[in-house]
Amino acid sequence: SQQGEEDPQALSIQEGENATMNCSYKTSINNLQWYRQNSGRGLVHLILIRSNEREKHSGRLRVTLDTSKKSSSLLITASRAADTASYFCAAGNDMRFGAGTRLTVKP
Amino acid sequence: DGGITQSPKYLFRKEGQNVTLSCEQNLNHDAMYWYRQDPGQGLRLIYYSQIVNDFQKGDIAEGYSVSREKKESFPLTVTSAQKNPTAFYLCASSIPSGGSGTQYFGPGTRLTVL
Repeated sequence: SQQGEEDPQALSIQEGENATMNCSYKTSINNLQWYRQNSGRGLVHLILIRSNEREKHSGRLRVTLDTSKKSSSLLITASRAADTASYFCAAGNDMRFGAGTRLTVKP
Repeated sequence: DGGITQSPKYLFRKEGQNVTLSCEQNLNHDAMYWYRQDPGQGLRLIYYSQIVNDFQKGDIAEGYSVSREKKESFPLTVTSAQKNPTAFYLCASSIPSGGSGTQYFGPGTRLTVL
């Protein structure tokens, strides 16, 4: 079974609002990665956070990592309709993915 | 222009037929992966290969076969033994073996059994 599990399963927000999705994992990791998938396409890597980092930013993306709670969060600020996609986390050496969070941003 | 390609984009198969999905990468990556995705679901690992001439079963390998004769190629054969093969198939590659590196995905092949 996969290491990372995303939550919530689905999230619907208005354009301009912030979107937060979470990832929990089970065992110690050296890094955690977030990916995005547009409908009917392959996954695209968004950001990697290492186990010795607590927070990382990339444009409108902010990722946090709490190794004591074995959890990570992905925050998308000032969301746009184009952010509509599914978002997946991959924890550590695990090459498996969870079911993802399906984000819908309404214009 | 580096990347990972999959062909065909759409594939139709009659019941009882084997079909082979192509995956090629020119990123010089050691590791390659095959995933299956059903509508509204996450990705499930079928097979992975960390080095040429070696591959391992993932979580749902039954009814599938692979080969890794060349570093850049990792074809997936969906055999007639796969009971419900209609799905979206994604191939990926990464630099460090073991899955700790960033995975680069192809555009996918959508397989439909008629």
